[in-house]
Amino acid sequence: GAVVSQHPSWVICKSGTSVKIECRSLDFQATTMFWYRQFPKQSLMLMATSNEGSKATYEQGVEKDKFLINHASLTLSTLTVTSAHPEDSSFYICSASAGAGYNEQFFGPGTRLTVL
Amino acid sequence: AQRVTQPEKLLSVFKGAPVELKCNYSYSGSPELFWYVQYSRQRLQLLLRHISRESIKGFTADLNKGETSFHLKKPFAQEEDSAMYYCALTQGGSEKLVFGKGTKLTVNP
Repeated sequence: GAVVSQHPSWVICKSGTSVKIECRSLDFQATTMFWYRQFPKQSLMLMATSNEGSKATYEQGVEKDKFLINHASLTLSTLTVTSAHPEDSSFYICSASAGAGYNEQFFGPGTRLTVL
Repeated sequence: AQRVTQPEKLLSVFKGAPVELKCNYSYSGSPELFWYVQYSRQRLQLLLRHISRESIKGFTADLNKGETSFHLKKPFAQEEDSAMYYCALTQGGSEKLVFGKGTKLTVNP
């Protein structure tokens, strides 16, 4: 089956620093990748949609300058949390889709970010 | 705006009992409905989708457009069914998923 990995699985950083999270599709080419945020005991909230080679589309209320998304290849998307603050602490999950015709997203295991 | 409602945060049943996880949606178009499951310490994975009309691990879900519901059912729950279940939809050909808040199912021995 289709596998999506995320790295790192957890990260602790100091307030004001930037953190990069990688999302890779291991055995298929992902034309579209999605980034979600999940607060404790809450649902997944879509942050942005990224298509390979083009700018990401951010959901309303998500600061694009704070959450930088790059989808440089068909197997890799990165989310960089810039100038992180404690309120950015959360569980970040990516998913990847092989295309609209497949209409199935494959999820990564998530990255736990803690900002001190 | 489209919305997915899962009214039960927690649901507890005994092994062998029937289980129904409720999901209602609000969307004016023709959405595609999904159930995703997250077992303890595992990633989110697709359980089933309404267009497939399939039964996975004994679970079924029927889309009721009149009641705008997509309830997940299983006639005889098993302990290994204990997990977090999320109902979700996509709209009008878009791949963007809108998730409900999830229901934590616990199947007791």
